[in-house]
Amino acid sequence: SQKIEQNSEALNIQEGKTATLTCNYTNYSPAYLQWYRQDPGRGPVFLLLIRENEKEKRKERLKVTFDTTLKQSLFHITASQPADSATYLCALEGTNAGKSTFGDGTTLTVKP
Amino acid sequence: GAVVSQHPSRVICKSGTSVKIECRSLDFQATTMFWYRQFPKQSLMLMATSNEGSKATYEQGVEKDKFLINHASLTLSTLTVTSAHPEDSSFYICSARGRSGGVGANTQYFGPGTRLTVL
Repeated sequence: SQKIEQNSEALNIQEGKTATLTCNYTNYSPAYLQWYRQDPGRGPVFLLLIRENEKEKRKERLKVTFDTTLKQSLFHITASQPADSATYLCALEGTNAGKSTFGDGTTLTVKP
Repeated sequence: GAVVSQHPSRVICKSGTSVKIECRSLDFQATTMFWYRQFPKQSLMLMATSNEGSKATYEQGVEKDKFLINHASLTLSTLTVTSAHPEDSSFYICSARGRSGGVGANTQYFGPGTRLTVL
């Protein structure tokens, strides 16, 4: 069955460092992979989308890589700030699925 | 662009009553809307997918007679929790996807969520 795993439930880093979150998947051939941010008591907010034929995508301090051979995506936040503290979700979608499958999320805490 | 609203944000009701939650895409036409529920410290659990003008497709284990979904227009979908019980208490979140090639395509844009508490 399809499975998505995000590294460790919680990640704690010091302000200014780079946070790296991992999303691994099995039994899936996604056409798209997306990263979302979710704050407590709020709906997820879309951050970045990367397609299967793209290796890397950047947006300001965010960078996403997508390796379909390793079946893995890495999500980087450079120069992290306490305001980046949140839960980050990865989501995969197939070509004709029409719906996304979400990972359980990784809660990032950036300490000042 | 691609803003989704949800109403109400919070509702408390007595056991046995029905509750309706609205999900609106404010600045794009949502051909598909999704309804999720989320328990504390858990990920999103997809309940159903609805396409405008057709019946919703429910995920396995979700009772369609208990969770009524109506996607009456390209900007509005509603979820009605019928005869709610305490175990239905949860955080319900909708998302919307736009037409292929248009605003909101290929990505789900989420509403802010509705916290339902059934006493």
